[in-house]
Amino acid sequence: QVQLVQSGAEVKKPGASMKVSCKASGYTFTGYYVHWVRQAPGQGLHWMAWINPGNGDTRENQKFQGRVTVTRDTSLSTAYMELSRLESDDTAMYYCARGGPIATLPDAFHIWGQGTMVTVSS
Amino acid sequence: EIVLTQSPGTLSLSPGERATLSCRASQSVGSSYLAWYQQKPGQAPRLLIYGASSRATGIPDRFSGSGSGTDFTLTISRLEPEDFAVYYCQQYDSSPRTFGQGTKLEIK
Repeated sequence: QVQLVQSGAEVKKPGASMKVSCKASGYTFTGYYVHWVRQAPGQGLHWMAWINPGNGDTRENQKFQGRVTVTRDTSLSTAYMELSRLESDDTAMYYCARGGPIATLPDAFHIWGQGTMVTVSS
Repeated sequence: EIVLTQSPGTLSLSPGERATLSCRASQSVGSSYLAWYQQKPGQAPRLLIYGASSRATGIPDRFSGSGSGTDFTLTISRLEPEDFAVYYCQQYDSSPRTFGQGTKLEIK
């Protein structure tokens, strides 16, 4: 079945970087956008970025001030999200989600990963 | 960016009752690119409604969405015990994609 499986929980120190992976299966990885969304404890959802796995094009939310980098490895059907210069406010659950088909109309997030909890603490 | 404001913040109802959740956008959401998600504690969000009114795969028909432009509504016709959760609206018309702050649907 179609699914996204994310890497495990991480603990990071302030100032460090984190990198979360999202492995796709059950569909053509290069055929759909992959988005990243985060959720701080007890808070709402915030969109971070998307990547076109087919050609590597990306778009990031400017609210993250250039700290977000999204990449992919098509041979592994895996997308990655790296967040640099971590602060305590970056403590959150990070989700990947499948967007719509490439080069078609915008679409909602029909499939979500299970989430990766990242804790930033000294 | 499009700001989405959901109301009420918390809705207290009993099983069997009808729930009406609202999502208002700060500017028009083109082509009704508006989605609704349900999130239960410890789980990832689940897509309920996309395109303002289309039910996602496997979603029961007690869930319905309506609206256009700046005003959208999620209706749950007859609440089941498993429907008590947090609900988010999201616009995917423009970047950055944005979510509402959520409505918590709790058992009265």
